[in-house]
Amino acid sequence: GAGVSQSPRYKVAKRGQDVALRCDPISGHVSLFWYQQALGQGPEFLTYFQNEAQLDKSGLPSDRFFAERPEGSVSTLKIQRTQQEDSAVYLCASSLVAVTQGELFFGEGSRLTVL
Amino acid sequence: GNSVTQMEGPVTLSEEAFLTINCTYTATGYPSLFWYVQYPGEGLQLLLKATKADDKGSNKGFEATYRKETTSFHLEKGSVQVSDSAVYFCALSVDYGGATNKLIFGTGTLLAVQP
Repeated sequence: GAGVSQSPRYKVAKRGQDVALRCDPISGHVSLFWYQQALGQGPEFLTYFQNEAQLDKSGLPSDRFFAERPEGSVSTLKIQRTQQEDSAVYLCASSLVAVTQGELFFGEGSRLTVL
Repeated sequence: GNSVTQMEGPVTLSEEAFLTINCTYTATGYPSLFWYVQYPGEGLQLLLKATKADDKGSNKGFEATYRKETTSFHLEKGSVQVSDSAVYFCALSVDYGGATNKLIFGTGTLLAVQP
């Protein structure tokens, strides 16, 4: 597609449920990032992939968060046993090059609400 | 550590007014600086960037100059339009020498331009 596509756009989960958020980056983009954006805050880095390799997962807040990109294109962010503090917009971004210099293309985000 | 501080909003202006959104940063190393914009219902988009001291980034009538001596990257526009209404994020990335550069964002500033 023309841009980064994320699904679902909105997700409501009961506390304790598992959720999976999908990101379709721009075709051919090497780098893929996940960010978490709490209400009224700026995006915060979660994890980074270069092709299928997860090179940096230092921002994942707990071991309930897991991300994968098995074929170097589509990526999934999984959150197990969701908690209320997980409520946020999850942003995916991609870049054509491996060393991005900060120029990323963002999707519209997946808004997760945990009740 | 690396961080970005930007002025809180909302900023409300009349059409054709002059805009300044302040941004200061703290960084180890030599950061690149960015302004991203998020229009209603859309994903974050790169507005402009500057990669070294005294560089000026510009786009769509917006400008920002990388000031190392004051660690600032203030966004300016001489005459705003209603269509500029959006949330503006200041961000930095630091080159650690070969590894990809994750973005660190400020909290965002909402700009509302009234006709």
